[in-house]
Amino acid sequence: AQSVAQPEDQVNVAEGNPLTVKCTYSVSGNPYLFWYVQYPNRGLQFLLKYITGDNLVKGSYGFEAEFNKSQTSFHLKKPSALVSDSALYFCAVRDIGVNTGFQKLVFGTGTRLLVSP
Amino acid sequence: DADVTQTPRNRITKTGKRIMLECSQTKGHDRMYWYRQDPGLGLRLIYYSFDVKDINKGEISDGYSVSRQAQAKFSLSLESAIPNQTALYFCATSGPGNTIYFGEGSWLTVV
Repeated sequence: AQSVAQPEDQVNVAEGNPLTVKCTYSVSGNPYLFWYVQYPNRGLQFLLKYITGDNLVKGSYGFEAEFNKSQTSFHLKKPSALVSDSALYFCAVRDIGVNTGFQKLVFGTGTRLLVSP
Repeated sequence: DADVTQTPRNRITKTGKRIMLECSQTKGHDRMYWYRQDPGLGLRLIYYSFDVKDINKGEISDGYSVSRQAQAKFSLSLESAIPNQTALYFCATSGPGNTIYFGEGSWLTVV
């Protein structure tokens, strides 16, 4: 089964500093990887995805993610953090049912990002 | 207006009561999902639906049922709510692409 792991429950960074939120994956076949963000009292918002092509994927709000096949990682990054980036971030991988062909997402446990002024 | 709308957004109910969470979407997608979010566990899939005639159990379907009333509507029911069903519930949709779009969530508290 496809899975992702987010090893950090929380990441703390000062505003203006670069940030990284880690994600590793375990899949059979080629991975389709996603990052979502959940702001307080809001739903999940799609940030970016990797399907194929360039290993560096650019997404919303200045975020980007680097796909690394040898390390089976898909870390989320931003060059300069903002206080408003404080939120809960989820990594996810697409899973397709063997018998149904139905696509669904399998999520990591989430990483809370706190950006201090 | 939101593309995926959930009602109610917040609900407190008593143990043993029946509760329904409703979801409607304006994206024209065939696939719809119900996920549950718990702290430290991420999101787990409850049920998913290919279309109005195809409904499938996810990883945590016990204690839940669903109804796909139309392409745009997918409701989740707790027939007899229990306290460990207290969680944030998300409806989601996806179309031909690979991206899944989520509603804003429904907070359910079972006391």
